[in-house]
Amino acid sequence: QQPVQSPQAVILREGEDAVINCSSSKALYSVHWYRQKHGEAPVFLMILLKGGEQKGHEKISASFNEKKQQSSLYLTASQLSYSGTYFCGTETAGNKLTFGGGTRVLVKP
Amino acid sequence: DAGVIQSPRHEVTEMGQEVTLRCKPISGHNSLFWYRQTMMRGLELLIYFNNNVPIDDSGMPEDRFSAKMPNASFSTLKIQPSEPRDSAVYFCASSFRANVLTFGAGSRLTVL
Repeated sequence: QQPVQSPQAVILREGEDAVINCSSSKALYSVHWYRQKHGEAPVFLMILLKGGEQKGHEKISASFNEKKQQSSLYLTASQLSYSGTYFCGTETAGNKLTFGGGTRVLVKP
Repeated sequence: DAGVIQSPRHEVTEMGQEVTLRCKPISGHNSLFWYRQTMMRGLELLIYFNNNVPIDDSGMPEDRFSAKMPNASFSTLKIQPSEPRDSAVYFCASSFRANVLTFGAGSRLTVL
């Protein structure tokens, strides 16, 4: 079953912060985050494993609460280059990676 | 490394025709995934292979779709016969031990 992402879209001014949430109804082994620019393929940002860890990529960080089966992606001091669609991918038994519906992020000057 | 290579990049065909999409994964990667992306349904996992063996094909829409991986460096996704609702971007991705995915550039399919 597909993880649920929220919000579906967000518009930011350069320098503002945003949070994207991802939740699953199934027990998770890991959570992946990818970003896709228009007309391009999704590109890996980070992977979070069991243990409630946090990771960072540039000023983008994420957390994983395995008990709640939720992950959040934090865009801090957003830059124009952060625009794109962000997907969370949840890994369940059998190494199956299922993606959420995506969150479209637009960062304006 | 050239990354994951997909062909063709664009395909326009008529309803009822056979379509074959091809993928060459990154050398050394042992997992290969086929995804379909549409506005309505997002990124859907169709099928994935570990060590050339199909592990889960529950996402394959119907019998018109089939996928093969005859060796570690090549996979195909075939649609026969194609229908307009199959129009989408089809992505192939590979990984080592089903970890971080590297996606190909995608094959944009239009069925008229």
